[in-house]
Amino acid sequence: DTAVSQTPKYLVTQMGNDKSIKCEQNLGHDTMYWYKQDSKKFLKIMFSYNNKELIINETVPNRFSPKSPDKAHLNLHINSLELGDSAVYFCASSPASGGSYEQYFGPGTRLTVT
Amino acid sequence: GEDVEQSLFLSVREGDSSVINCTYTDSSSTYLYWYKQEPGAGLQLLTYIFSNMDMKQDQRLTVLLNKKDKHLSLRIADTQTGDSAIYFCAERKASNYQLIWGAGTKLIIKP
Repeated sequence: DTAVSQTPKYLVTQMGNDKSIKCEQNLGHDTMYWYKQDSKKFLKIMFSYNNKELIINETVPNRFSPKSPDKAHLNLHINSLELGDSAVYFCASSPASGGSYEQYFGPGTRLTVT
Repeated sequence: GEDVEQSLFLSVREGDSSVINCTYTDSSSTYLYWYKQEPGAGLQLLTYIFSNMDMKQDQRLTVLLNKKDKHLSLRIADTQTGDSAIYFCAERKASNYQLIWGAGTKLIIKP
């Protein structure tokens, strides 16, 4: 029944490593997002895909690369992890038309870089 | 510029009403949202209001929108300990899919 799911929930890794976070939604939404939430709880949009096409790409380092294999999945790959990448990463999805466009969030992935 | 502003903290006594305020700058915003984030959890959509409405009520929640002043508020009646969370206000720009988020208001419940 989970609407937006993310794996893993926790990720602890060392600087310089490469890691991926996966996201899946079963709501039939066209649009998916990645957000970063820092230690002060500030929420920052990173990327947005609509029907597998990138539509929002905020000023995020090139080390972050989203990939959308299909409309229901949006994965986030991070190369050469840095200490400042430590945060909680949220995936979200929303319908693209015909309504209030509300976003539904996954439970988050807490990334700790040591 | 784009900005959504909220107070960082609000402290209320259990049983009282909580009023969380938010101001935004984009007059073309179409929808405004309130989300709740409990500790260690994701953001949960509480309610939203379309920009042509002044008020929306849903059980203990009342949203008021003053479009002239670009002010949005969320009132929680009979505040309970389970309401303890961070509440985020967000506006949807008319031009794209993007939401502009406030920094969140931490609601603290005093016994």
